[in-house]
Amino acid sequence: DVKVTQSSRYLVKRTGEKVFLECVQDMDHENMFWYRQDPGLGLRLIYFSYDVKMKEKGDIPEGYSVSREKKERFSLILESASTNQTSMYLCASRYSENQPQHFGDGTRLSIL
Amino acid sequence: GNSVTQMEGPVTLSEEAFLTINCTYTATGYPSLFWNVQYPGEGLQLLLKATKADDKGSNKGFEATYRKETTSFHLEKGSVQVSDSAVYFCALSGGATNKLIFGTGTLLAVQP
Repeated sequence: DVKVTQSSRYLVKRTGEKVFLECVQDMDHENMFWYRQDPGLGLRLIYFSYDVKMKEKGDIPEGYSVSREKKERFSLILESASTNQTSMYLCASRYSENQPQHFGDGTRLSIL
Repeated sequence: GNSVTQMEGPVTLSEEAFLTINCTYTATGYPSLFWNVQYPGEGLQLLLKATKADDKGSNKGFEATYRKETTSFHLEKGSVQVSDSAVYFCALSGGATNKLIFGTGTLLAVQP
């Protein structure tokens, strides 16, 4: 089975801090994704990566950046955390287009 | 662009009732279609998928048929259980984009 592991289930940070959310997958998947999930808004794509060192903006990239130095790891970075970035963050990976995405358990991030 | 529209929730049913959650899509080309499920406190899991017209995906008693003529992928189950209580997300992938497009999710609450 594919395993997508997010480094933290719950995280509390302060406004202005630089925050790193880590995601690791163990199936040599090409594509990796970061979403945030908010009530009434469903899942919104922040960034995705289709190969090492490659990244593309999703629908809501503002205030975020990403890093993919190794195929198995995709990091989401909040450069200067703000309260409106309090959310559930979900990482996913898939082998290729038209294949299903496999999700991690999510990180519930609170910015105080 | 590509989009997914699913019925708003919450949907509240009694145990053993019949379930339908509607999902329609707009897409160029021939996307793959997915239903994902999110149980309380967990990440998303793939429930079922269909990759071409008239395909039927099925899993755990749930079914959905890829209907190109009506651009729909409605989720059905003949007899729901309390353990089916979760949020269900319809999604599509492929066509002109590498991204997975999600609906906003439908909360299902099954009462004993």
